Amino acid sequence: AQKVTQAQTEISVVEKEDVTLDCVYETRDTTYYLFWYKQPPSGELVFLIRRNSFDEQNEISGRYSWNFQKSTSSFNFTITASQVVDSAVYFCALSEAAQGGSEKLVFGKGTKLTVNP
Amino acid sequence: NAGVTQTPKFQVLKTGQSMTLQCAQDMNHEYMSWYRQDPGMGLRLIHYSVGAGITDQGEVPNGYNVSRSTTEDFPLRLLSAAPSQTSVYFCASNYGGGTLETQYFGPGTRLLVL
Repeated sequence: AQKVTQAQTEISVVEKEDVTLDCVYETRDTTYYLFWYKQPPSGELVFLIRRNSFDEQNEISGRYSWNFQKSTSSFNFTITASQVVDSAVYFCALSEAAQGGSEKLVFGKGTKLTVNP
Repeated sequence: NAGVTQTPKFQVLKTGQSMTLQCAQDMNHEYMSWYRQDPGMGLRLIHYSVGAGITDQGEVPNGYNVSRSTTEDFPLRLLSAAPSQTSVYFCASNYGGGTLETQYFGPGTRLLVL
């Protein structure tokens, strides 16, 4: 069965600090997809990134970077030089490549990040 | 494109009442899903559809019904609301067909069952 664990329930940092959000996943499939979503206080879900299980290259997008390591089943998310606007709940999610191409997401419980000025 | 739209934004029900949460998308997506979000639980899949006329259960389907008569619409029905169904409900859609594109989420419906 699929499972996503975000062990950090809440993190509080001061602006300009770097912060890493941890995500550990479990799956029996060899083909799967990993996601990060951001949920700001306004409540909507904002897509951040999708990675497939065959691409272990780290990715950087501005102040955001992602470290995917199959050996440890982890897909960690780092925000460099955090800003107050980064305050949100961040969800890691997993999708297996089921037959027919359906995409059912299994979410972690989320990490609430507070960036203080 | 309006993307994924959900109505209503907020609803209060009494135990035993029924209601339908509406979800529509104008992106011609094959796949649509309903999730519920509860505090400390993340999002959990209720039902999903891989195309018009085809639906299936997710992780927490009890107490909910769905149907998919058109590509655009995927309503979620609560036949007899219970306080345990107090939650925020998100509808999502994606292209599917093996592309495994990201899911696009609606703005959510906040439901309170008294």
